[in-house]
Amino acid sequence: ETGVTQTPRHLVMGMTNKKSLKCEQHLGHNAMYWYKQSAKKPLELMFVYSLEERVENNSVPSRFSPECPNSSHLFLHLHTLQPEDSALYLCASSQVLGEAYEQYFGPGTRLTVT
Amino acid sequence: GQNIDQPTEMTATEGAIVQINCTYQTSGFNGLFWYQQHAGEAPTFLSYNVLDGLEEKGRFSSFLSRSKGYSYLLLKELQMKDSASYLCASLDSNYQLIWGAGTKLIIKP
Repeated sequence: ETGVTQTPRHLVMGMTNKKSLKCEQHLGHNAMYWYKQSAKKPLELMFVYSLEERVENNSVPSRFSPECPNSSHLFLHLHTLQPEDSALYLCASSQVLGEAYEQYFGPGTRLTVT
Repeated sequence: GQNIDQPTEMTATEGAIVQINCTYQTSGFNGLFWYQQHAGEAPTFLSYNVLDGLEEKGRFSSFLSRSKGYSYLLLKELQMKDSASYLCASLDSNYQLIWGAGTKLIIKP
């Protein structure tokens, strides 16, 4: 298996549920990212990890909690979400952080909060 | 502030040429990326420009003018499969990507 994979592809959850999104990259990259993509809006960077350490947290609400257990895996733990959190959540990786390398994206998780 | 502007939607005819413009204002500049995103799929890398000028890659070309804060993506010999959103992103001084909202390109037969 190659590239960046994400599971699940679709998720419907209530506001009181707890769920996790999973991302795995098979490219040997050192940097991983979580983005939120809403219709007709720019990609919003949520979290950045470099060599398993979080280096960026763009004022994301605490109901989103990232975890990076190793350089190949990234999780986004979700709890007590709001309907406005419904969006496409994209994971990406790049060779290293701090240089002009392209990012490789996973197919995303389409999240609906009811 | 940091800002990327690109048209929301464009329509073009199969076999024709289309140019998608992007203007950027970012804190520092380390290059300009273009990505393609088909509906329901992951964005995929198309091009990267850091020096002024035109970079050609098959049917797709990307142009950059640093002095004008301007880039465009040129698509030639359009095919139906080119129907997608095209995302412009500027790499700022911290090597963080600042994204535009994307241009939805509709190709008509």
